[in-house]
Amino acid sequence: AQRVTQPEKLLSVFKGAPVELKCNYSYSGSPELFWYVQYSRQRLQLLLRHISRESIKGFTADLNKGETSFHLKKPFAQEEDSAMYYCALRTGTYKYIFGTGTRLKVLA
Amino acid sequence: GAVVSQHPSWVICKSGTSVKIECRSLDFQATTMFWYRQFPKQSLMLMATSNEGSKATYEQGVEKDKFLINHASLTLSTLTVTSAHPEDSSFYICSARTPTNTEAFFGQGTRLTVV
Repeated sequence: AQRVTQPEKLLSVFKGAPVELKCNYSYSGSPELFWYVQYSRQRLQLLLRHISRESIKGFTADLNKGETSFHLKKPFAQEEDSAMYYCALRTGTYKYIFGTGTRLKVLA
Repeated sequence: GAVVSQHPSWVICKSGTSVKIECRSLDFQATTMFWYRQFPKQSLMLMATSNEGSKATYEQGVEKDKFLINHASLTLSTLTVTSAHPEDSSFYICSARTPTNTEAFFGQGTRLTVV
């Protein structure tokens, strides 16, 4: 079955603390994984894709095929990081399967 | 990045009426568009995939006669919710991609309220 699991609905951290948003997936093929972010009252926008192995706004995510995970990490959270984060799996037919999302709240 | 625009951003309609939502790719040609539905505090659920000039492919459990999708041009796809009922009230989001682009671009969403 194709599935993306984000176990945490809400994650609250203090400013400057490290952040890790968890994502696990289930997919029989070769996965392409993404993190999307939705700031308040804005549309979904791409944050990271695993094939790029890039760091955007200080966030990184590494695909771990052994653990079927694609956790999103940032060493020092900022208040402007507060948003809804969705992990997504793209299938071979370009369908996106989204996790249920994690709301990140960065407290001052 | 590329821009995908949905219209309207919100709509209120009476039970039994039909509502059309447009999804446009403003600065690129979208051979494939996707329609999602998002309930409050839940994830996006893919409803259907539409390819320009062909019939949409619906996900399991989505009524194709209820949610009519038309992708008549490379820049426009429409979703028509027919005979709407209050349980159809939701946030509908479209996304679009090109064959050469590995990224999907999302519209701002349309909030439908059926009263």
